[in-house]
Amino acid sequence: DSGVTQTPKHLITATGQRVTLRCSPRSGDLSVYWYQQSLDQGLQFLIQYYNGEERAKGNILERFSAQQFPDLHSELNLSSLELGDSALYFCASSARQGEGTQYFGPGTRLLVL
Amino acid sequence: AQSVTQPDIHITVSEGASLELRCNYSYGATPYLFWYVQSPGQGLQLLLKYFSGDTLVQGIKGFEAEFKRSQSSFNLRKPSVHWSDAAEYFCAVGVIAGGTSYGKLTFGQGTILTVHP
Repeated sequence: DSGVTQTPKHLITATGQRVTLRCSPRSGDLSVYWYQQSLDQGLQFLIQYYNGEERAKGNILERFSAQQFPDLHSELNLSSLELGDSALYFCASSARQGEGTQYFGPGTRLLVL
Repeated sequence: AQSVTQPDIHITVSEGASLELRCNYSYGATPYLFWYVQSPGQGLQLLLKYFSGDTLVQGIKGFEAEFKRSQSSFNLRKPSVHWSDAAEYFCAVGVIAGGTSYGKLTFGQGTILTVHP
């Protein structure tokens, strides 16, 4: 157990819908990262927050957004969902931005029908 | 931009045999290097990491990896594989940019390990 929690574990929804994925980092970790794992793209970095502020963006679609709250938990919002958004979404946390080791949560498996 | 290549998509070994999973990275400076393991339906578990210093690093579950700057490689090894090692293994590189820690990890495509009894 990494200490990173993610809810829900599974999510099934329809195209055009909006969902919110939630992540709680390890106790004391200030940095949260979101990754998407799909069969065709592999593991891809989406976005990073550090102590409530966005610090880095990767291949995140405009339909996706995220935020980190004062209690340091983070949410990833996915809207206008398409079939191709079906994937495993991971959250990771680290104590320090950058060189700190990233510890991954169990992931949220999203299926868009 | 940094990149990671894991040349072997799938490797099969017999239980008790030795294992080496290959990883090559591309990055202009000294990278931070990681190996993670993912069991079916599970998240990513950190096996080991290289930040600096001794180029041979030890990890959990009897794994080790060696950083070779001249070859831009960070291969994962285990002297004797157990059936429970069957999983998918990911090599990743992390970078620092502009004097600011920049935590993005870039992952390889993964190597699926099958262990025969």
